[in-house]
Amino acid sequence: GAVVSQHPSRVICKSGTSVKIECRSLDFQATTMFWYRQFPKQSLMLMATSNEGSKATYEQGVEKDKFLINHASLTLSTLTVTSAHPEDSSFYICSARQTGIDQETQYFGPGTRLLVL
Amino acid sequence: QKEVEQDPGPLSVPEGAIVSLNCTYSNSAFQYFMWYRQYSRKGPELLMYTYSSGNKEDGRFTAQVDKSSKYISLFIRDSQPSDSATYLCAMGAGGFKTIFGAGTRLFVKA
Repeated sequence: GAVVSQHPSRVICKSGTSVKIECRSLDFQATTMFWYRQFPKQSLMLMATSNEGSKATYEQGVEKDKFLINHASLTLSTLTVTSAHPEDSSFYICSARQTGIDQETQYFGPGTRLLVL
Repeated sequence: QKEVEQDPGPLSVPEGAIVSLNCTYSNSAFQYFMWYRQYSRKGPELLMYTYSSGNKEDGRFTAQVDKSSKYISLFIRDSQPSDSATYLCAMGAGGFKTIFGAGTRLFVKA
């Protein structure tokens, strides 16, 4: 099956710093990637849709200036949490939509656990 | 009304039992349906993908889609403790974003 990686898997940072999370599709090209946030024992919350070569589409209530998304290539999307605060602590998961064979299937990365002190 | 309804559980069953997980939905435009399994602190893993109505079987897992009733199911036969996880249904259609259910937590007791 299709493989999506995320890096780092865990990060601890001080309040006010910025954190970058990378999402890579390892064996397929993805024009569309998604970023989700998940709180303990809750479902996925879509934050934004990342489109290669264009601006990301953010869901209502998600601050685009705080959560910067860049999708510079067909295999890489990055999420930067700027000026992180403790309330940004969460589990961030990306997914990639496989292009071509099955356009409607999302493959998820393993997630990044962010803790802001 | 949510677009996708899924009972969060938890659902607890003994090892070897047949597990039935279900979702209902309201948007008749949905054409593709998926089930994901998510272990604690991990990303969701795609289990089953079905396009339109019908059944699909893969090992111990069977996915059913009834578009007339707007109802989908995932059956797990001979459940194992390693099946303990959260199961998310997801669905969508071309031009629509994929909608996920809230997830059902399953515990299989040895």
